[in-house]
Amino acid sequence: EPEVTQTPSHQVTQMGQEVILRCVPISNHLYFYWYRQILGQKVEFLVSFYNNEISEKSEIFDDQFSVERPDGSNFTLKIRSTKLEDSAMYFCASFGQGAFSYNEQFFGPGTRLTVL
Amino acid sequence: SQQGEEDPQALSIQEGENATMNCSYKTSINNLQWYRQNSGRGLVHLILIRSNEREKHSGRLRVTLDTSKKSSSLLITASRAADTASYFCATDAATGGFKTIFGAGTRLFVKA
Repeated sequence: EPEVTQTPSHQVTQMGQEVILRCVPISNHLYFYWYRQILGQKVEFLVSFYNNEISEKSEIFDDQFSVERPDGSNFTLKIRSTKLEDSAMYFCASFGQGAFSYNEQFFGPGTRLTVL
Repeated sequence: SQQGEEDPQALSIQEGENATMNCSYKTSINNLQWYRQNSGRGLVHLILIRSNEREKHSGRLRVTLDTSKKSSSLLITASRAADTASYFCATDAATGGFKTIFGAGTRLFVKA
């Protein structure tokens, strides 16, 4: 069964450092997403990406964040200068085409980011 | 804003009992999904129910959807200690990006 993969599973960084979280979505999917979950809270939408551009972003997704699909398989989330409050689990998801309305988003296992 | 909200926030039951969790949302949806998450771990997709479906079963799980009341319920029958987790409902957003909106979740604790 196809799956979304994410690397690394856990990233520890110092405040102010740049981090890049990587995701490999399911190969024939067209929509890609990043979500964030701060410990003990609900999963929050960050950004959606379609046709090589951002289609929607939340208030959380400020200028410190960027996304890229550098090649045909990877989808990355970059945080330019990490803050303590960026510590969270980051989930990547992808979404297929066809009967849009009835397809689920496939979520990756998550990357736990710890900012010290 | 469109949002899934679950109740109760926390539920503690004995092994073998049934667990029912409810979810309400605010706007029209195409589908509603339930996820499970063990503490600090990833999201496990449990079941998707389409807006034109009223009930769906998967093993010990039963999901209902009432679009007139904008609500859904997840029933876990004959619960086991391994069912201890947080359960989230999630709805698709009626925006072009098809993002998923998660509720705050119900923390289920099943005592052995």
